[in-house]
Formats: sequence, structure tokens, C-alpha cells
Amino acid sequence: GIQVEQSPPDLILQEGANSTLRCNFSDSVNNLQWFHQNPWGQLINLFYIPSGTKQNGRLSATTVATERYSLLYISSSQTTDSGVYFCAVEPGTYKYIFGTGTRLKVLA
Amino acid sequence: GAGVSQSPSNKVTEKGKDVELRCDPISGHTALYWYRQSLGQGLEFLIYFQGNSAPDKSGLPSDRFSAERTGGSVSTLTIQRTQQEDSAVYLCASTPGIRYEQYFGPGTRLTVT
Repeated sequence: GIQVEQSPPDLILQEGANSTLRCNFSDSVNNLQWFHQNPWGQLINLFYIPSGTKQNGRLSATTVATERYSLLYISSSQTTDSGVYFCAVEPGTYKYIFGTGTRLKVLA
Repeated sequence: GAGVSQSPSNKVTEKGKDVELRCDPISGHTALYWYRQSLGQGLEFLIYFQGNSAPDKSGLPSDRFSAERTGGSVSTLTIQRTQQEDSAVYLCASTPGIRYEQYFGPGTRLTVT
């Protein structure tokens, strides 16, 4: 089955820093989503981005489906950005496969 | 509008007992997913319902796990003869249809003692 790898696995930032999270997948996909899981466990939609680029405030994402990767950019990070970031891909089976996540900690 | 709700939020049960977990999707959403998240891990797909079609049960880990969706809305995940390895957070998500973004509920934390 399709493999989904996220990097880096862990990231510590000082408040105000920028970062790039990466999601690589091993086969073609029909859909891709980015989520933020906050410290209370709630999964929050960030982007639904099977291809192209989207921006929402300090966050933006780019998916290059032909090269099988997606990037999530966080600018001017805040302590509330802490948590785990997951990408999830749907390879044409209507089932989403989740990556292992990037655990982000933003220090004040 | 109301989001996806799940109940109970926490469940502690003894090994060997049966448990039922409930998911109320967003009104009008036709697709519903169940996932399991073990401590510190990613999400593992369990089962998927779309409208009146037969569910995709390919992720259920054993025949002790079953799920149903009544009237195309509320879903119940049942785990029979629970084992300690079933301890996890069980998450439900719904979407307006296939290939739309998923919206997650808060999860049910299951602890089997």
C-alpha cells in the first residue's frame, strides 16, 4: 500500500520563527489534507489541497502531486501552533492514509 | 452549525467486556469514517460508510470489531470481548460526500483494564 512519510518528526521553534513541514507519498493520490492536532487531541482541518497552493493567514500549503509531496509552511510561529501536524492522503480508495506526524513545540 | 460529536468522551472497561462508541456526524454529511489512534501514534483507518453503499470494513483489526450506521446518520462502533491492546482514542470523521475534506469529532478515549 501507499506509504506516507512526514519530516521532520520533531521540531522545536522559538516564537516568531518560520518552518516548513514536508509530506512525501509513494503513489499517486486523489486527495490530500493537512491537520493540526492540538494538545487536547482535537484534529483541526488546515488545508484540503490535492494540488496547487493555498494560504490561510500565517499558514500556507503547496502540493506537487506529480512529484508526490506536499509542504506546509508556518510563518511567525506562535505558542498556539504547538501540537502534531498530520498529512493524510487518499490514493483512490476513498480511504485516507495518515502520515506519522510532525510534533511541533513553539517556545515563548 | 454543530460539528461531529462523539460519546462517551471517556470509557474505562474491564477486559472481556463489550463496549459501544457513538458518532453523530454533521447533518447532511453522507460519508462517515472511524479511525483509531494509539498513544503517540498516527491515525489508523478502521471503517468507512458512504450513503447507502456497503461499508468498507477493510481496516477493522479483528472480527471483535463491528460498526453500523443507522438511517445514514448516527454510527455505532462496537468492540466485543475487549482486550488491553484495544486501548486507544477512537475518532470519527464525516464529509459531505466522497473526496471532500473530513471533519473530526473530539474522540472517545477507551481504556481497557
